[in-house]
Amino acid sequence: GENVEQHPSTLSVQEGDSAVIKCTYSDSASNYFPWYKQELGKGPQLIIDIRSNVGEKKDQRIAVTLNKTAKHFSLHITETQPEDSAVYFCAARHLEGGGNKLTFGTGTQLKVEL
Amino acid sequence: EPEVTQTPSHQVTQMGQEVILRCVPISNHLYFYWYRQILGQKVEFLVSFYNNEISEKSEIFDDQFSVERPDGSNFTLKIRSTKLEDSAMYFCASSETPSRRASGNLAKNIQYFGAGTRLSVL
Repeated sequence: GENVEQHPSTLSVQEGDSAVIKCTYSDSASNYFPWYKQELGKGPQLIIDIRSNVGEKKDQRIAVTLNKTAKHFSLHITETQPEDSAVYFCAARHLEGGGNKLTFGTGTQLKVEL
Repeated sequence: EPEVTQTPSHQVTQMGQEVILRCVPISNHLYFYWYRQILGQKVEFLVSFYNNEISEKSEIFDDQFSVERPDGSNFTLKIRSTKLEDSAMYFCASSETPSRRASGNLAKNIQYFGAGTRLSVL
């Protein structure tokens, strides 16, 4: 089955700096890669997603890049703000495959310091 | 904005007891899921449910677990005889359609998560 690895497990940045979180996946059939943000006391919330037919997607300060050959994808947050502090999870899934299950990474605790 | 609602937020139970975790998915969604997250570990898929039957389940979802949609709005996860290792955060999620029907429309595939129920087995 699919296995998703994520690093780093914790990341501290100064406000205004960029943050990068990286994930690798094992199943070449996976073709959908969402990123979720989990704030304290809340469930994971989707912040951006990408399909394998594109290499990059941007939404304001957030971008995701995908390298299908190397089977890795990354989340980039620019101009970080204190409200970006949260746990971020990457995930992978095969959209047309057997089921709808998401396979998650281990999560990254991002702390944006003033 | 519509959201997935889970109750209770925290459930404490004795080992061997049955628990029922409740979820109200987003109203026009047809596909429902349970995931769990043991403290400090990954979010893990348990089961997906569509059209009143289990669509897929993981190896974690053994005979002690069951899911049900008892009425038009609730989706429940039952653990028959809880074990210490069942202590975790349980997340319910829902999506609008199954992926095979909507692979061309990413928005319909998005899984929306509830805030979770923290289950503590003593």
